[in-house]
Amino acid sequence: AQSVTQPDIHITVSEGASLELRCNYSYGATPYLFWYVQSPGQGLQLLLKYFSGDTLVQGIKGFEAEFKRSQSSFNLRKPSVHWSDAAEYFCAVGARAGNQFYFGTGTSLTVIP
Amino acid sequence: DADVTQTPRNRITKTGKRIMLECSQTKGHDRMYWYRQDPGLGLRLIYYSFDVKDINKGEISDGYSVSRQAQAKFSLSLESAIPNQTALYFCATSEGRLNTGELFFGEGSRLTVL
Repeated sequence: AQSVTQPDIHITVSEGASLELRCNYSYGATPYLFWYVQSPGQGLQLLLKYFSGDTLVQGIKGFEAEFKRSQSSFNLRKPSVHWSDAAEYFCAVGARAGNQFYFGTGTSLTVIP
Repeated sequence: DADVTQTPRNRITKTGKRIMLECSQTKGHDRMYWYRQDPGLGLRLIYYSFDVKDINKGEISDGYSVSRQAQAKFSLSLESAIPNQTALYFCATSEGRLNTGELFFGEGSRLTVL
């Protein structure tokens, strides 16, 4: 069965520190992989996506993620966090046939000055 | 104006009432989705539609129904609302033919059932 696991419910980092949010997935075939961000009171916005090719993908707002097939992981990283990055982050996996998407439970990020 | 618009944004209702959440989009996408978000559970798919004549159940469709009135409109109904349907509901769209996989979300409809 398809599933997405985000092990960290909540993370707190200092502004300027580096960030890594973890995502592991279970899927029968090579999936499409996504990271979305949800700011308070807003809908979800796509940060980045992996379809194929280079396993290190760059996204908006200075985020990047690396697909590691051997570890079934797609971790999100940012070298230096800004206060405006405080939000909830969702990892998602989608079928290449495009029928459904499966979301993780989310990681809430707090940024302290 | 937002590409994906949900109405109402907030609604408080009582147990047993019928509720309709509406979604309209100007992106020209074929595919539309309704998700429910609960704290600690992430987003769960309720229903999805790939075109006007195509409606599919998601993982948590019990207690919900949908109507795809046009390519641009996709409504979610709760025939008889119950308290555990209190949640944040999101409509989303995606491109069908190109299948880029990206979902575009509305800003959400917060429903409280008393």
